[in-house]
Amino acid sequence: SQTIHQWPATLVQPVGSPLSLECTVEGTSNPNLYWYRQAAGRGLQLLFYSVGIGQISSEVPQNLSASRPQDRQFILSSKKLLLSDSGFYLCAWSAGGRYEQYFGPGTRLTVT
Amino acid sequence: AQSVTQLGSHVSVSEGALVLLRCNYSSSVPPYLFWYVQYPNQGLQLLLKYTTGATLVKGINGFEAEFKKSETSFHLTKPSAHMSDAAEYFCAVSDQGGSYIPTFGRGTSLIVHP
Repeated sequence: SQTIHQWPATLVQPVGSPLSLECTVEGTSNPNLYWYRQAAGRGLQLLFYSVGIGQISSEVPQNLSASRPQDRQFILSSKKLLLSDSGFYLCAWSAGGRYEQYFGPGTRLTVT
Repeated sequence: AQSVTQLGSHVSVSEGALVLLRCNYSSSVPPYLFWYVQYPNQGLQLLLKYTTGATLVKGINGFEAEFKKSETSFHLTKPSAHMSDAAEYFCAVSDQGGSYIPTFGRGTSLIVHP
């Protein structure tokens, strides 16, 4: 069966510090991968998605970036965090040709 | 372009009462429709999906939803609410044959009173 992991689970970082969130999927190959952000009391905002290694599409211009160095690994990064980057970050995957998504447990990021 | 409207950001029911969470969508092509549930501080979990075929779909935890093309709706129901059903529920739509990026509704928080 497929499993998706995210770490860390929680993170408190000062403004201006770098960020690296990691997501890995097990039990499948060539998944579509997604990064979402959920601000407090709000819906899901798609940040990045990837249909293959090295293929990243950005949905929202911001100080975040994403990379996919391996087939089942998706990394969200920032060089300098802003207060507005606080939120709940969710990684998700879907199988090729399928539309339903499967979400990781999320990372709660607080920028102070 | 797709859009999803979830009527009511909060729905409150008593334990044992009917749960009805509303979702209306717009799509220029036949849609795929989904309901997800999110418990506090967790990721989203797929509850059920409609792709093709039977318009009444059953999901996990006793939930079901009916695709009504004429009403462009995909409302989520459960005959009897449990305290454990308290969570955030998201409706999502994708276009058949289109992008694998779904459009999510803004979510409905289900509150269950004892």
